[in-house]
Amino acid sequence: NAGVTQTPKFQVLKTGQSMTLQCAQDMNHNSMYWYRQDPGMGLRLIYYSASEGTTDKGEVPNGYNVSRLNKREFSLRLESAAPSQTSVYFCASRGTGFGNTIYFGEGSWLTVV
Amino acid sequence: EDQVTQSPEALRLQEGESSSLNCSYTVSGLRGLFWYRQDPGKGPEFLFTLYSAGEEKEKERLKATLTKKESFLHITAPKPEDSATYLCAVPSQGGSEKLVFGKGTKLTVNP
Repeated sequence: NAGVTQTPKFQVLKTGQSMTLQCAQDMNHNSMYWYRQDPGMGLRLIYYSASEGTTDKGEVPNGYNVSRLNKREFSLRLESAAPSQTSVYFCASRGTGFGNTIYFGEGSWLTVV
Repeated sequence: EDQVTQSPEALRLQEGESSSLNCSYTVSGLRGLFWYRQDPGKGPEFLFTLYSAGEEKEKERLKATLTKKESFLHITAPKPEDSATYLCAVPSQGGSEKLVFGKGTKLTVNP
């Protein structure tokens, strides 16, 4: 079972460069999420998609865009990377229904220099 | 604003020394509380979901309990392989599709 797959795992960007983080899930989940995790800050929600064709802002959306390409795939784009976006990014997915848990990918380590 | 607070931030135990981690929350109308384990360099791994006050769930040396305002993760006779960061999360009042996470408790179990 692949679960939630993220690419790339590691990336170094220069300030101002753009890049897209890719995420795919094979659990037929409706909801997908992008979180970032920083030391001392915990997991913070960037964007989420409750279903194919919809996206909503989370706690820290500035500087990011997302695309829910289809039910399986949810990408996160940094249009002009900044050092403040150096972080670990986690994609996650969740099935519908009360109490359904979120399952996470392995993470993407992004450094902006 | 939804709040999830975990304590302590870090905990060091000797192998076999039992203890508890705390997760308190301010979300009203709780629609589940989730516990995760996160190893260094990995994504969070699901452990438990608790739905109502008084509920308990167990997995190996871990037992999670829930009251109306907080949850406890009890670790009985821990082993070094239990060392990890433990996270709790609750669905946001703004919509159950969003989970609000605590900052976690980093547990270290020394042999």
